[in-house]
Amino acid sequence: DTAVSQTPKYLVTQMGNDKSIKCEQNLGHDTMYWYKQDSKKFLKIMFSYNNKELIINETVPNRFSPKSPDKAHLNLHINSLELGDSAVYFCASSQRTVMNTEAFFGQGTRLTVV
Amino acid sequence: AQTVTQSQPEMSVQEAETVTLSCTYDTSESDYYLFWYKQPPSRQMILVIRQEAYKQQNATENRFSVNFQKAAKSFSLKISDSQLGDAAMYFCAYRSASYGGSQGNLIFGKGTKLSVKP
Repeated sequence: DTAVSQTPKYLVTQMGNDKSIKCEQNLGHDTMYWYKQDSKKFLKIMFSYNNKELIINETVPNRFSPKSPDKAHLNLHINSLELGDSAVYFCASSQRTVMNTEAFFGQGTRLTVV
Repeated sequence: AQTVTQSQPEMSVQEAETVTLSCTYDTSESDYYLFWYKQPPSRQMILVIRQEAYKQQNATENRFSVNFQKAAKSFSLKISDSQLGDAAMYFCAYRSASYGGSQGNLIFGKGTKLSVKP
């Protein structure tokens, strides 16, 4: 059983398009995250979402929006895609009350904007 | 704000030898957690080892161990008996123990690419 799954694994799209990446976790965790890994492999938090509380990294453009239909899902919507959005996007989850446990990561989505 | 620094962009080790990856961090908090994650070419992020700041004893997981120096804010990873499968990017990460506004986010270093020579 996959703990955190993302779809799609690869996404190639044109500038200006709108796209979504889906994420689901079956660990019963209460907090989910989106991280962005740039071309230099640097990982940076984009969003964290716990129940109905959304924490947004202030550097994330408002073209990016997370949507959480329920505790097990946190999808990432991106509007008006730009070349600079090309990166690998990771979804992760953890249990808020158990801080010493690791975050579990999905396998990542490689987004290429052409 | 907390920061994590990995000063070695790349490291190389001979198979069966030992290698140490460096990590330093900056924080004003007294309670936190530190992690080492491995990212092989498959892209999957895999937890290697974790350390609670309140524990003085260094964590160990099979061939992987850490040298945690809280006063120096240093958290190095030692890999013993290196294997070809250890070749990967290694990321050091920090998590605050107080939830606050961070929601348990991980703060990552920029990573160290480890190569293992046969």
